[in-house]
Amino acid sequence: DTEVTQTPKHLVMGMTNKKSLKCEQHMGHRAMYWYKQKAKKPPELMFVYSYEKLSINESVPSRFSPECPNSSLLNLHLHALQPEDSALYLCASSRWASGRASYNEQFFGPGTRLTVL
Amino acid sequence: GENVEQHPSTLSVQEGDSAVIKCTYSDSASNYFPWYKQELGKGPQLIIDIRSNVGEKKDQRIAVTLNKTAKHFSLHITETQPEDSAVYFCAAIPTEYGNKLVFGAGTILRVKS
Repeated sequence: DTEVTQTPKHLVMGMTNKKSLKCEQHMGHRAMYWYKQKAKKPPELMFVYSYEKLSINESVPSRFSPECPNSSLLNLHLHALQPEDSALYLCASSRWASGRASYNEQFFGPGTRLTVL
Repeated sequence: GENVEQHPSTLSVQEGDSAVIKCTYSDSASNYFPWYKQELGKGPQLIIDIRSNVGEKKDQRIAVTLNKTAKHFSLHITETQPEDSAVYFCAAIPTEYGNKLVFGAGTILRVKS
């Protein structure tokens, strides 16, 4: 299995809702990532988990709360979002979160298209 | 920090022609340069990458070249096909030991049949 899966594919939520995005990989990767991608822009890194511990938080607002329950799963909990948070949320994984970058390819999932009303 | 510039922003070619996308980077310590293809409604897919100890790498119709002295790398697609139409992102990782991808702005490639 060489893929990263994400659910749901689409999500529409109001500003007072609480929802969660889920990501799963079974490649034995020990690093997992959340990216945000706005239309016609490159992905922007939000969080990095290494060995199930948060290692990088790119100054993301607290209304986004990541969680890594085990080495295969990554969640992003959403609460009190704003319309400007509407975007494609991408999950990625790589073999590890440190070590030689040139042997640490990141594999992306298909993303969750989030719309905040 | 690392900055990656990508050109052109859009590129239209006839089916069968070649396409070239160019990127420059600022951090001379960067040593890994992946290229991603993103089709509409999908996540980015790694299509080829190159490491700093290599000048060129080919995979069928796709090739990447790296000039470390000039700090630029390029994606070459030959014999383009309609299914090559997508957004292409170059990226760099700025330190030898790291995992933070710095992306270029992207190139929309349209292959006209």
